[in-house]
Amino acid sequence: DVVMTQSPLSLPVTLGQPASISCRSSQSLVYSDGNTYLNWFQQRPGQSPRRLIYKVSNRDSGVPDRFSGSGSGTDFTLKISRVEAEDVGVYYCMQGTHWPWTFGQGTKVEIK
Amino acid sequence: QVQLQESGPGLVKPSETLSLTCAVSGYSISSGYYWGWIRQPPGKGLEWIGSIYHSGSTYYNPSLKSRVTISVDTSKNQFSLKLSSVTAADTAVYYCARVISASGGPDYWGQGTLVTVSS
Repeated sequence: DVVMTQSPLSLPVTLGQPASISCRSSQSLVYSDGNTYLNWFQQRPGQSPRRLIYKVSNRDSGVPDRFSGSGSGTDFTLKISRVEAEDVGVYYCMQGTHWPWTFGQGTKVEIK
Repeated sequence: QVQLQESGPGLVKPSETLSLTCAVSGYSISSGYYWGWIRQPPGKGLEWIGSIYHSGSTYYNPSLKSRVTISVDTSKNQFSLKLSSVTAADTAVYYCARVISASGGPDYWGQGTLVTVSS
């Protein structure tokens, strides 16, 4: 299975400041069709995961533009330009290139 | 608006079969896309269990393949999960989700249902 490794696992941030989460895969996530199926999810306390980003950098409908995704191959990043209180939760990367699809361990974002 | 709702017993005895159903509203399963099951043990991360295409083709996580069956009932607009020979390690919140293959991941999720395996 493809192992997804996130860092850091815990991220205390100050309101209004930027935050960045790294996700690395154990093998390239470029699919045979040329696409890279790397997703980012937000899971607020007590809620289901919500997808924020698909195919590395595409924001889902309704996702604030302070969230952005970047990267290629095996190295990916989720950035929050200015953290708001509602951004508290656990963030997961997930690869949809190789079956079985796999998730990172999660990064817990909290307010300092 | 697409909505998914899991249902099924919240308590299953060890060695028995866990059965869950996901009712879909706001979208017809027979129109396309994949439909999947994901689980999350209490306080832990997420694990893909498997997916089914609207036509019935299935993809199971090899780690669970011998125990998993996912099926679809387009007449009821729902799909189901069966996991046999459960142990305490199968205790988790089970989510159903819609997957658009062109995006490579689940876009809509159910609210999840906690299944506890205990005698």
